Amino acid sequence: NAGVTQTPKFRILKIGQSMTLQCTQDMNHNYMYWYRQDPGMGLKLIYYSVGAGITDKGEVPNGYNVSRSTTEDFPLRLELAAPSQTSVYFCASSSQAPQHFGDGTRLSIL
Amino acid sequence: DQQVKQNSPSLSVQEGRISILNCDYTNSMFDYFLWYKKYPAEGPTFLISISSIKDKNEDGRFTVFLNKSAKHLSLHIVPSQPGDSAVYFCAASPDLTSGSRLTFGEGTQLTVNP
Repeated sequence: NAGVTQTPKFRILKIGQSMTLQCTQDMNHNYMYWYRQDPGMGLKLIYYSVGAGITDKGEVPNGYNVSRSTTEDFPLRLELAAPSQTSVYFCASSSQAPQHFGDGTRLSIL
Repeated sequence: DQQVKQNSPSLSVQEGRISILNCDYTNSMFDYFLWYKKYPAEGPTFLISISSIKDKNEDGRFTVFLNKSAKHLSLHIVPSQPGDSAVYFCAASPDLTSGSRLTFGEGTQLTVNP
């Protein structure tokens, strides 16, 4: 019973590098989300998708891109990593509330 | 503009006693509220929710109270257990329909001492 799976769990990037955070869900949920959580802060919505081929910006989309080619997968791309993007990233999915979360990717940019 | 606010970053209680976690919101369009629990190195897990048509929802040791006029909700845990030690997030949404975007508070670290 996998639910929402995120890879990698940890990553260190150099400034200016790019990478893709992977997220896949096996619950056939139409809705998927990417959040970031900074220390002492709540989760901030980066991007979300209401179904394959449809994505939209959340509260903090700058510096990120997403795609949704299948129902299962919702990767998050960082094109030019900056220190301000050091955070823990959570992917979530839902059909109706509540959202189900993955265990997160801890990303450090040095 | 912090629309959902948890003013207490931390709370410490004794095992067996009541834990009360508070949450305030400013957006009157919020109609559905959730509490999530988060352990270190794990994602948030859903705990309990409440719709604005109710003022109380109970699930075992967990009860959520909603005061719409005060734009305030609280989570009561009775009795508290050491395994309840975690960060608790309050979240709000305009509705319960599919894919509603959630707005989260900052979280409260609950520590239950044996």
